[in-house]
Amino acid sequence: NAGVTQTPKFRVLKTGQSMTLLCAQDMNHEYMYWYRQDPGMGLRLIHYSVGEGTTAKGEVPDGYNVSRLKKQNFLLGLESAAPSQTSVYFCASSSITSGRASAKNIQYFGAGTRLSVL
Amino acid sequence: EDQVTQSPEALRLQEGESSSLNCSYTVSGLRGLFWYRQDPGKGPEFLFTLYSAGEEKEKERLKATLTKKESFLHITAPKPEDSATYLCAVPEGAQKLVFGQGTRLTINP
Repeated sequence: NAGVTQTPKFRVLKTGQSMTLLCAQDMNHEYMYWYRQDPGMGLRLIHYSVGEGTTAKGEVPDGYNVSRLKKQNFLLGLESAAPSQTSVYFCASSSITSGRASAKNIQYFGAGTRLSVL
Repeated sequence: EDQVTQSPEALRLQEGESSSLNCSYTVSGLRGLFWYRQDPGKGPEFLFTLYSAGEEKEKERLKATLTKKESFLHITAPKPEDSATYLCAVPEGAQKLVFGQGTRLTINP
């Protein structure tokens, strides 16, 4: 019953460093998402993917890149971290196989990665 | 642009004191509304989907209702373990969700 797994759980970076956050899901879901959550801002979509090899920009994509080389994995990269990227990052996945059209938007979330950029 | 607003931002109740959380939205053609629960230090956990105005869903002490402009999450006789942040969201397009900022609920014993 792993569901959506995010690694690492915590990370501290210095300004300008790079890192990759990994999201893995074992539910065979087509869609995957990366969000950031900041106090008072709610969940904001960074990038998402509707299938292997495809990605699209969300609400706040600047400073991030993503890749979906395998269906079960979705990577979020920070090429040159900035203090404004200090946040909690959540990955989610959803399926298009449910009967009702809206049901495919039921997103299942990982436990989050807490990132601090100094 | 679709918008979702939740109120209040925070709510403190005594154990057993019933209340309601509000989620109002402006969308062009509602295709469902979702409620999630988020515990501190964890990811959001799916609770309910409501598809059309007038629909209701229940789970233990929680009941979600939907009108054409808003949704309510009613909490009946809450317990301390119901303390969490409750998020609502509406679909945007075919693949995305727009989330509200959440209501932080605290139930005091």
